[in-house]
Amino acid sequence: GAVVSQHPSRVICKSGTSVKIECRSLDFQATTMFWYRQFPKKSLMLMATSNEGSKATYEQGVEKDKFLINHASLTLSTLTVTSAHPEDSSFYICSAGTDPYEQYFGPGTRLTVT
Amino acid sequence: AQSVTQLDSQVPVFEEAPVELRCNYSSSVSVYLFWYVQYPNQGLQLLLKYLSGSTLVESINGFEAEFNKSQTSFHLRKPSVHISDTAEYFCAVSFSGGYNKLIFGAGTRLAVHP
Repeated sequence: GAVVSQHPSRVICKSGTSVKIECRSLDFQATTMFWYRQFPKKSLMLMATSNEGSKATYEQGVEKDKFLINHASLTLSTLTVTSAHPEDSSFYICSAGTDPYEQYFGPGTRLTVT
Repeated sequence: AQSVTQLDSQVPVFEEAPVELRCNYSSSVSVYLFWYVQYPNQGLQLLLKYLSGSTLVESINGFEAEFNKSQTSFHLRKPSVHISDTAEYFCAVSFSGGYNKLIFGAGTRLAVHP
């Protein structure tokens, strides 16, 4: 089946530093990937749609300069949290799909900013 | 605007009892409906989906959901739950018109007790 991986699974960084999270589709190509943020005991909030070879589309209220998304290839999208602050601590999840109506989710990345 | 409502944040139930997790949506266009399950510190797994055709859809592990257009609902049911069904369940919708983003409900925590 379709597998999406994320790396790292957990990361702790100091306030003011930047962190990169990778999302890979392991056995299929994905022209579109999605990045979500999940707060504790909360639902998933779509942050942006990552398109291979073009700029990401950000949801309203998401700072594009803070959350940099690069979709370098058909199997890799990266999310960089720049100048991270404690309020950026969260669970970040990516997804990708092989058809328009099914998305496969990565296992998530737990970011803790101290 | 489209939205998804999961009225029950938590549903406690005893093992082997039946359960229903409620999901209602709001949309002025055709929808595609999904249920995802999330185990602790993991990403989301697709449980079942409704795209078209039969309004009753089933998963491989005994869950089923019925699309009710008049009531704009897509409730998830299982006649007999197991301890291993303890997880967070998310209802989600996407909308007609191509590769659409998912809008998630707030989630329902199913806690199965022995």
